[in-house]
Amino acid sequence: GAGVSQSPSNKVTEKGKDVELRCDPISGHTALYWYRQSLGQGLEFLIYFQGNSAPDKSGLPSDRFSAERTGGSVSTLTIQRTQQEDSAVYLCASSLIGINEQFFGPGTRLTVL
Amino acid sequence: EDQVTQSPEALRLQEGESSSLNCSYTVSGLRGLFWYRQDPGKGPEFLFTLYSAGEEKEKERLKATLTKKESFLHITAPKPEDSATYLCAVQSQETSGSRLTFGEGTQLTVNP
Repeated sequence: GAGVSQSPSNKVTEKGKDVELRCDPISGHTALYWYRQSLGQGLEFLIYFQGNSAPDKSGLPSDRFSAERTGGSVSTLTIQRTQQEDSAVYLCASSLIGINEQFFGPGTRLTVL
Repeated sequence: EDQVTQSPEALRLQEGESSSLNCSYTVSGLRGLFWYRQDPGKGPEFLFTLYSAGEEKEKERLKATLTKKESFLHITAPKPEDSATYLCAVQSQETSGSRLTFGEGTQLTVNP
């Protein structure tokens, strides 16, 4: 079946602009996660959605970052007033409730000039 | 705070030369330890989940083991197609949700 999909695959933006990154989880997966992978660093947790519960936003690095999940499926990660340090690969993952394994999408490579 | 340390950072092997990758962890109540494989430009690919000390799992040339402080990923008779970055991650029973805490990975190169 179809895996996690993300769009765009690459995004180049100028400092100060807003960007939106999209994630389509595996059908039927109720849990959705966003991580960030910076050059030379491990994956860093950003935010977690589970069903209709309030999201766990504890990993968001600043108030410029926000995310929403509509209809329990598609999620959008928004970064406002982008900075050069936001340059990274943003990865989305999904999992079934009660199942611990997370399945990752291909990521969006964000470059802030 | 959960921590994961992987070693070595990079490993070069000849085809057929078996070796092991290490993942040391500290976590407040381990819910699960995960191994992923990541190819350049792609997202991590799930390999294994281990839940308790003494547990072992195998898939083709890969075998993962778990103790109370570390996990090993053993690679037997590797092939060039095993070249990738291998990531280890832990999931804590005390952290809200099911977030993963990752190590920085071991970059494996298998030469023909």
